[in-house]
Amino acid sequence: DAGITQSPRHKVTETGTPVTLRCHQTENHRYMYWYRQDPGHGLRLIHYSYGVKDTDKGEVSDGYSVSRSKTEDFLLTLESATSSQTSVYFCAIRVSVGYTGELFFGEGSRLTVL
Amino acid sequence: AQSVTQLGSHVSVSEGALVLLRCNYSSSVPPYLFWYVQYPNQGLQLLLKYTSAATLVKGINGFEAEFKKSETSFHLTKPSAHMSDAAEYFCAVSANSGNTPLVFGKGTRLSVIA
Repeated sequence: DAGITQSPRHKVTETGTPVTLRCHQTENHRYMYWYRQDPGHGLRLIHYSYGVKDTDKGEVSDGYSVSRSKTEDFLLTLESATSSQTSVYFCAIRVSVGYTGELFFGEGSRLTVL
Repeated sequence: AQSVTQLGSHVSVSEGALVLLRCNYSSSVPPYLFWYVQYPNQGLQLLLKYTSAATLVKGINGFEAEFKKSETSFHLTKPSAHMSDAAEYFCAVSANSGNTPLVFGKGTRLSVIA
């Protein structure tokens, strides 16, 4: 168990409203990631972070922003949600010690934008 | 840059039959390769990984995969399917150095027929 908690786990919102998803880890790992999962597309990287206040864009970053003001929390924000952002969002961490590349995932946050 | 192609979005096997899920990768540098499994309404769980040691990798639940550089493949196999193996399986690749995030395939849904 890598100690990853995502919140909320489920959310329904309306088009145009802001939404923030939170990823919290308990083990002080440096690298954190946000992916979205959609049928037929697998998992696609939205943004990732390699330290406090250090973030970078992934493959599908348009319409999303992130923040990491402390090691344990990585926030994903949809400034103005659209129906195309209906998806399941997964947070992941990279274990710092003995790194061999794998990521550990949270349980996911299912977002529906009406 | 890395990429992964999973052949077949849906594979159906009979209980007790061989499971073969195909994954081909593209990488400009020596890769790390992974298989993840996702059960319904859950996050992703690491099944096995290749990190440039043995080319035949054994994972959990009786699965194994063989890294074949000449074929750029990392196919997942299990000699005898069980009903509990029904899930979605994702192949992923990353560079074996630095902080390259994982790139995932689109997934293969495995159905097991009694």
